[in-house]
Amino acid sequence: TQLLEQSPQFLSIQEGENLTVYCNSSSVFSSLQWYRQEPGEGPVLLVTVVTGGEVKKLKRLTFQFGDARKDSSLHITAAQPGDTGLYLCAGASPRDDKIIFGKGTRLHILP
Amino acid sequence: DAGITQSPRHKVTETGTPVTLRCHQTENHRYMYWYRQDPGHGLRLIHYSYGVKDTDKGEVSDGYSVSRSKTEDFLLTLESATSSQTSVYFCAISGPSGGESSYEQYFGPGTRLTVT
Repeated sequence: TQLLEQSPQFLSIQEGENLTVYCNSSSVFSSLQWYRQEPGEGPVLLVTVVTGGEVKKLKRLTFQFGDARKDSSLHITAAQPGDTGLYLCAGASPRDDKIIFGKGTRLHILP
Repeated sequence: DAGITQSPRHKVTETGTPVTLRCHQTENHRYMYWYRQDPGHGLRLIHYSYGVKDTDKGEVSDGYSVSRSKTEDFLLTLESATSSQTSVYFCAISGPSGGESSYEQYFGPGTRLTVT
């Protein structure tokens, strides 16, 4: 069974600080997605990474896919209260095409 | 935002009663999914569909059935609801219209179901 482990589970930091959250697996994924979910709403897609070593930027958010396509990280620069939410990673298995989700990192940015 | 709606948004029902949740899309996406989200478990796939009348089981399919008679509608049925099925249920869609699968999913707003 493929698992996606996200760390940390919870993170509370002050506005303006930088942070990194991680999504790790022992298995290879053909692609990986990051989502953000706010209370009472469904997850919203942020980015897809496909190539090993790929880096994508979305304003203050930087996403990286590991060289071996087994892990990914999300770095937020100068966090703002609007970044608060649950961040989920999801991977598509190259073996059976099924998508699995990590349990998420719950981020809280204090003003 | 992808055109995807869920109904009802909230439901309270009694143990042993049947419940049907509806997911409706206006995007003509081929793939549709039902997930449940619970504290400590994250999002878990219940069933998914890869076309009209084509469905398959996910990770936690016991106690659930699905049907897809039209591209735009995907129904999730709890034949006899149990308290362990209290959860938030999300529908998702993926894939370019009528084409091959895409791993990028677009989620509905969710249905909060309470079984008493």
